[in-house]
Amino acid sequence: DSGVTQTPKHLITATGQRVTLRCSPRSGDLSVYWYQQSLDQGLQFLIQYYNGEERAKGNILERFSAQQFPDLHSELNLSSLELGDSALYFCASTSSGRPYNEQFFGPGTRLTVL
Amino acid sequence: AQTVTQSQPEMSVQEAETVTLSCTYDTSESDYYLFWYKQPPSRQMILVIRQEAYKQQNATENRFSVNFQKAAKSFSLKISDSQLGDAAMYFCAYRSGLIQGAQKLVFGQGTRLTINP
Repeated sequence: DSGVTQTPKHLITATGQRVTLRCSPRSGDLSVYWYQQSLDQGLQFLIQYYNGEERAKGNILERFSAQQFPDLHSELNLSSLELGDSALYFCASTSSGRPYNEQFFGPGTRLTVL
Repeated sequence: AQTVTQSQPEMSVQEAETVTLSCTYDTSESDYYLFWYKQPPSRQMILVIRQEAYKQQNATENRFSVNFQKAAKSFSLKISDSQLGDAAMYFCAYRSGLIQGAQKLVFGQGTRLTINP
């Protein structure tokens, strides 16, 4: 158990819908990362937050947005869902922005868009 | 932009034997970190081993060791005395050493390792 929690574990929805994925980092970790793992794109970085502020953006679609709240949990919002958004979404956390710190991954949320 | 390439989509090894997974990367940075992550069927991402680019000594963690060739931009993972529990997808990953830079992990495509009993 990495200490990072993600809810829900599985999500099945229809095209055009909107969903919210939730991540609670390890106790004390300030930095949260979101990654998408899909069959065709592999593992890709989406976005990073550090202590409530956006730190870096990757290949995140405009239909996707995220935020980190004062209690440090983070939410990834996916809207106007398409079939291609079906993927495993990981959240990872680390204690600071230091590059040598290990990123601890949550168990992931499996999103299926029908 | 940094890229990571794993040229072996699948590998297999006999139990108790040794196997080496290959990884190459491309970067113009001099300070960075390299990682190997394991993803078993449970899908959990587990850190196997980490290498700091400024360290010449290759990292080792029990049965896992790396061969880090900085000039060649190569970072292979050696698993000794392979066990059935080592069966998983293995990802090589790169992370910039710049504190102000993006701290994202850049992953390779993965190598699926099968252990034959």
